[in-house]
This record gives sequence, C-alpha cells and structure tokens, in this order.
Amino acid sequence: DAKTTQPNSMESNEEEPVHLPCNHSTISGTDYIHWYRQLPSQGPEYVIHGLTSNVNNRMASLAIAEDRKSSTLILHRATLRDAAVYYCILRDGIYNQGGKLIFGQGTELSVKP
Amino acid sequence: DTEVTQTPKHLVMGMTNKKSLKCEQHMGHRAMYWYKQKAKKPPELMFVYSYEKLSINESVPSRFSPECPNSSLLNLHLHALQPEDSALYLCASSQDQGRVQPQHFGDGTRLSIL
Repeated sequence: DAKTTQPNSMESNEEEPVHLPCNHSTISGTDYIHWYRQLPSQGPEYVIHGLTSNVNNRMASLAIAEDRKSSTLILHRATLRDAAVYYCILRDGIYNQGGKLIFGQGTELSVKP
Repeated sequence: DTEVTQTPKHLVMGMTNKKSLKCEQHMGHRAMYWYKQKAKKPPELMFVYSYEKLSINESVPSRFSPECPNSSLLNLHLHALQPEDSALYLCASSQDQGRVQPQHFGDGTRLSIL
C-alpha cells in the first residue's frame, strides 16, 4: 500500500485559510487521493477526493501537484469546528482493495479564536 | 447526526463474556466495514463486506466474528476478548468497494474489557 506523510500537528487562526500538506511520492497512476477528518469523540468524516485535477466542494479544496507526488487540502476559512485530525489516504486502484482505507497518523489541526 | 448507527455506544465486558456490536445503515450501501481504533491512534481496518459477503479479513483473531445478515445490518460478535482489545470500534458503509466511493462512519462503540 502506498504511504502518505503528513505533519503531526498544525495551528491556525479562526477565519484564516489553512493549507494541510501531504506527501505521497510512491503513488501509482490509478491511486485516488482521499481526505478524511475526525473530530473529537466522532467517527471519521469524508472531506474530499481527487485523481489528477484540483477539486472543490462545500467543505474544502484539494490541490494536487502536477507529478501527483504531493497534495494540499485547503480550508478557506477555518472555524473552531474544523479542529480535528486530518487524514490523507491513497486508495488502491484494484477494485476489491479499493475499499481499504489505510489511515496514517494524520495531522492534528488546532484552531485558535 | 450520522447516517450510520452503532449500538451500544459503550460496552464493558469481562473476558469470558459473549457480546455483539451492531451497525445499521439505510442509505442502500452495499459495502460495510469494521475498524478498530486505539486511543490516540488512527483507525485500522478489520473486515470488509461487499454485497453481504466477506471480502477482506485483515488477519483479525477469531475471537472477533463478523456477520452481515442483510444489506442494512452488520454485526461484530465478541467472545473471550483480551484487555488489549479495549478500543473504539467503528462501522462504516459505502455505495460499493470502489476507490472513489466515500465511506460514511458511525460514531463507534467504545469497548472496555475487564
């Protein structure tokens, strides 16, 4: 399984943008990049995913490097509710292995008022 | 509010007890998952069911026995657990096992083994 590397922790101020980096230098051509987050005392929550192009949804944006060896999750205006552990995950291109979410250590984001 | 419902929320059991964890979803999803999460660690996949058949077993000890009686329900039967099995057990579901399908998680059952 391809591995991802994220900083252990990051801090942000409320209402400012946050850029959460992820390195995945061994990504294969068919791996999708997924981001999940886990708020305290809750199960993980899907945030966004992409393959090659940048993606936007109501929660965040995902910027993918041209060589796909890194990506960045962008929260446009952090709120206190965004304090969570953010996981960057590669999902295998083989169908029956695609269900496997292999969580790394993630980045713990704290948001200051 | 989560669309994947897990019961009970908390469970305390002795090492000789038999208990079951239950997970339910009504989103029409055909893939369901069990994960285990120890404190301050990321979730680890245990089992994957696809169309009510066991698809992936991540070498989980036999004291954990999954069951998928229908497309909406997933159980995890527990027997003769060890203290190190104390953890948060998370259930998830997705449309299918494909790599683009988001997984929807419940809030878990916090299990303590005495």
